Amino acid sequence: GNSVTQMEGPVTLSEEAFLTINCTYTATGYPSLFWYVQYPGEGLQLLLKATKADDKGSNKGFEATYRKETTSFHLEKGSVQVSDSAVYFCALSEGGGNKLTFGTGTQLKVEL
Amino acid sequence: DTAVSQTPKYLVTQMGNDKSIKCEQNLGHDTMYWYKQDSKKFLKIMFSYNNKELIINETVPNRFSPKSPDKAHLNLHINSLELGDSAVYFCASSQRGNGELFFGEGSRLTVL
Repeated sequence: GNSVTQMEGPVTLSEEAFLTINCTYTATGYPSLFWYVQYPGEGLQLLLKATKADDKGSNKGFEATYRKETTSFHLEKGSVQVSDSAVYFCALSEGGGNKLTFGTGTQLKVEL
Repeated sequence: DTAVSQTPKYLVTQMGNDKSIKCEQNLGHDTMYWYKQDSKKFLKIMFSYNNKELIINETVPNRFSPKSPDKAHLNLHINSLELGDSAVYFCASSQRGNGELFFGEGSRLTVL
């Protein structure tokens, strides 16, 4: 079956540091890949997505590239802010997109 | 104007009771979901409806019964609550097939 593996958190960074959160996946076909973000006390929000190999999703300074050869979709940001503190979920959908398989989430804490 | 709204936001109840959570979306989407998030933030899909038709029914105890009176509403009724049902339940909606889910703020259920 499909699965998503994310790096364990929490990840603690100083403001303006570079962020990488690793995500790898296992799927039988050609999934679409997503990053969702959950701020404290809120529901998840779509951050970015990529639907085919070599696509790059980007939003709010965050980027992730769909790498089929390494089955990865790592999230990066060049300079994090305190307001980026949240839990980040990698996810995939296959065969129509109705069922998202989520990773376990990675908590990011950004300090001044 | 809240896109996906759930009520109640908090539920505290005794073991053995029955409770319901309601969800409404005003985005015009045709697909709605219930997800369960446990204390470690792990997210698991429970049910999905497309135009009032059940399309995803994961391995969930029969005590959980979803109901979709129309495509803008999806309710969740839970009978004979158990301690292990304590979690945050998220409602979400999307247009079928695009994998871009819009989540409500969650309903935190605590079973004592």
